[in-house]
Amino acid sequence: DAKTTQPPSMDCAEGRAANLPCNHSTISGNEYVYWYRQIHSQGPQYIIHGLKNNETNEMASLIITEDRKSSTLILPHATLRDTAVYYCIVRVPGKNAGNMLTFGGGTRLMVKP
Amino acid sequence: NAGVTQTPKFRILKIGQSMTLQCTQDMNHNYMYWYRQDPGMGLKLIYYSVGAGITDKGEVPNGYNVSRSTTEDFPLRLELAAPSQTSVYFCASSSLGRTGTDTQYFGPGTRLTVL
Repeated sequence: DAKTTQPPSMDCAEGRAANLPCNHSTISGNEYVYWYRQIHSQGPQYIIHGLKNNETNEMASLIITEDRKSSTLILPHATLRDTAVYYCIVRVPGKNAGNMLTFGGGTRLMVKP
Repeated sequence: NAGVTQTPKFRILKIGQSMTLQCTQDMNHNYMYWYRQDPGMGLKLIYYSVGAGITDKGEVPNGYNVSRSTTEDFPLRLELAAPSQTSVYFCASSSLGRTGTDTQYFGPGTRLTVL
């Protein structure tokens, strides 16, 4: 899997958009970008994934640059409940043993009132 | 759908004791996983299963055993508990989607302390 780089922490004001960047300069053509988050003491939660087109769902938007070397997760109106560690994971589905997820350090997002 | 459920939520074991962590999913997923997460660290894969009757080792299988007799259940057995197994254990499940991508759904975790 391609290595990812994320800032260790970010702050965001409640109600504002949270933009979480991820660099994955060694991504290969068949690797997808996945985002998960882990709220304190809970199991990781899937947010969104994409290959090369921008994606949007009820939780977030994913913007992938044209060269696919970086991406941004956007939470359009952050709430206090979005405070969590956000993980950007680049992988080929089904390639790793057991489709395991490899979680790096992630970005600790703190949403402040 | 309840998703992925785990029991117990918390457990304290003495060194040398055994226990089974239960995991059940009601999404008819083929793939199931056990991860452990030590304080301040990322998740590490212990065991996984690609279907009933099929299991395989992950990164850190020593000290654990699993079985998968049904699609729904994937229990994790700890034999001879050691302090190094103090951790939070997460069970997850997934299936391959039509586009070939897979999304893993996690349970709430079991917090285990071995004293």
